[in-house]
Amino acid sequence: EAQVTQNPRYLITVTGKKLTVTCSQNMNHEYMSWYRQDPGLGLRQIYYSMNVEVTDKGDVPEGYKVSRKEKRNFPLILESPSPNQTSLYFCASQGAFNQPQHFGDGTRLSIL
Amino acid sequence: GQNIDQPTEMTATEGAIVQINCTYQTSGFNGLFWYQQHAGEAPTFLSYNVLDGLEEKGRFSSFLSRSKGYSYLLLKELQMKDSASYLCAVSSQNRDDKIIFGKGTRLHILP
Repeated sequence: EAQVTQNPRYLITVTGKKLTVTCSQNMNHEYMSWYRQDPGLGLRQIYYSMNVEVTDKGDVPEGYKVSRKEKRNFPLILESPSPNQTSLYFCASQGAFNQPQHFGDGTRLSIL
Repeated sequence: GQNIDQPTEMTATEGAIVQINCTYQTSGFNGLFWYQQHAGEAPTFLSYNVLDGLEEKGRFSSFLSRSKGYSYLLLKELQMKDSASYLCAVSSQNRDDKIIFGKGTRLHILP
């Protein structure tokens, strides 16, 4: 089954404790993205990758890092999380610019 | 820069028709997507328009006018399960094909 898998689904942690949210897709897609979704602000792109070893900042990249060492994986790293990064995060993959994005189920992060 | 506007909320009655509008400003337009998102769930793809005109897919249709920077999503024979947020998203080749989402329209269906 074609899917995008994110882990964990839920996480409560404390300020400053490094964390990684994993994302994996099994569709051999070139494009992958990370978004955060906040009430009243909609989906905002954090980082974007067009291919292995190619990443680019989205609209809200501050405080986040990503890597794309393999086509299927695109982890999101918060080196020193802060409360303003409490949000619902989605990973998405896309085969080409004119094809729809497939989203993971989301990760709800709470930073205390 | 890019800007996408859509109404924040709409209400319609079961069995009726509703039209959700989306206006956008972008350079290097590469296509427009509509997604449906139920509360607490991931967005799911509804339609894609890159050329002017109407694309019909069952109860859902999507229209695009590139010259006016305008699209709408038309939902017919509304069902209670259509209660969700509807997201308009634009792809721009001037932004390396990155996709920008509107803030979404929350649709409430009344029985």
